[in-house]
Amino acid sequence: EPEVTQTPSHQVTQMGQEVILRCVPISNHLYFYWYRQILGQKVEFLVSFYNNEISEKSEIFDDQFSVERPDGSNFTLKIRSTKLEDSAMYFCASRGTGREQYFGPGTRLTVT
Amino acid sequence: AQTVTQSQPEMSVQEAETVTLSCTYDTSESDYYLFWYKQPPSRQMILVIRQEAYKQQNATENRFSVNFQKAAKSFSLKISDSQLGDAAMYFCAYRSREAGNTPLVFGKGTRLSVIA
Repeated sequence: EPEVTQTPSHQVTQMGQEVILRCVPISNHLYFYWYRQILGQKVEFLVSFYNNEISEKSEIFDDQFSVERPDGSNFTLKIRSTKLEDSAMYFCASRGTGREQYFGPGTRLTVT
Repeated sequence: AQTVTQSQPEMSVQEAETVTLSCTYDTSESDYYLFWYKQPPSRQMILVIRQEAYKQQNATENRFSVNFQKAAKSFSLKISDSQLGDAAMYFCAYRSREAGNTPLVFGKGTRLSVIA
């Protein structure tokens, strides 16, 4: 069964460094999302992406964040200058023409 | 803006028994989707069940069923014949059905423990 994959599974970085989180959505899906979950809290929406542009973004998704679909398969989230409060689990999700969003296993980002 | 509320931070159930997890939501829209996601200790988000607001019939997936009360804006999840593998965080989520790439809005989750 097709699934969303994410790399790396765990990323440790120092405050102020740039990180790129990678996702490979399900191959025939058209809609892509990033969510984050700070430990012990609820899952929060960051950004949605369709047809090579951002569809919607939340207040969390400020100028430090960017997304890109550099080729036909990858979907990346870049954080330009990480802060301690960016430490969280980051989930990529994709959706085809149906209703459901399918989530990847997540990347745990730790900012020290 | 839509909100989702899960009023039970933790629940427990005996193996083979039935448990119901509560969810309420607030929206001014008439057409939308509701979902339950399961998050085991691996932290993967797994879709359990979905419900379209325009359908009166409650969704069922094997041991999982929902009680969807549109007027009350309530969407509870019933797990029958609970198994040890059901232990996880359960998140209720809402998605607008309006045109566009609308995101999921999640509740804070309910941690379910299953007692052998």
